[in-house]
Amino acid sequence: GQNIDQPTEMTATEGAIVQINCTYQTSGFNGLFWYQQHAGEAPTFLSYNVLDGLEEKGRFSSFLSRSKGYSYLLLKELQMKDSASYLCVAPSGNTPLVFGKGTRLSVIA
Amino acid sequence: NAGVTQTPKFRILKIGQSMTLQCTQDMNHNYMYWYRQDPGMGLKLIYYSVGAGITDKGEVPNGYNVSRSTTEDFPLRLELAAPSQTSVYFCASSHTTGLAGGYEQYFGPGTRLTVT
Repeated sequence: GQNIDQPTEMTATEGAIVQINCTYQTSGFNGLFWYQQHAGEAPTFLSYNVLDGLEEKGRFSSFLSRSKGYSYLLLKELQMKDSASYLCVAPSGNTPLVFGKGTRLSVIA
Repeated sequence: NAGVTQTPKFRILKIGQSMTLQCTQDMNHNYMYWYRQDPGMGLKLIYYSVGAGITDKGEVPNGYNVSRSTTEDFPLRLELAAPSQTSVYFCASSHTTGLAGGYEQYFGPGTRLTVT
């Protein structure tokens, strides 16, 4: 199975940069996902890291260190619409993804 | 592509009634999933399917049934609805699992079910 640790809540200011950390333990690493979920909506896929390093997609970047069991999601130039929950998901084997509550990010003016 | 579609969007059921939540995907994905999400909680897997004719239980299957007669459709059946089944239900699909890629799940918009 998987064991995920990420902060429950974070608050950041519009226009700033925020880093959401995630540590994980899995029985058989199979990549790491980040999803975004706005309140009342379905989760949407943000990124998938399987190799160490930083992957950038516009304002969002995701970093992975497999040796440390550590990942982070970096959001730049924060906008109010980035207020959402961010879910770190580290599947084990070929099993369906397990989604926790994630980190609820509030962006304030 | 419509992606993953779910019907209905909202439904109110009386205790003991039955209903089927519909889910269809047009991406030719092999894998399909049903989750429920209670307020303030994470998603819990109810059932999943790795292909037509194959289904498997997830974390919380009691009170639900599924079938997968085609690649596109994965309906979820509630028999004898109970207040504990009040939740938001999400259907999802993915191309595959594993490091080969195409692992990400695509979600439908959800069905908001209230049982009173």
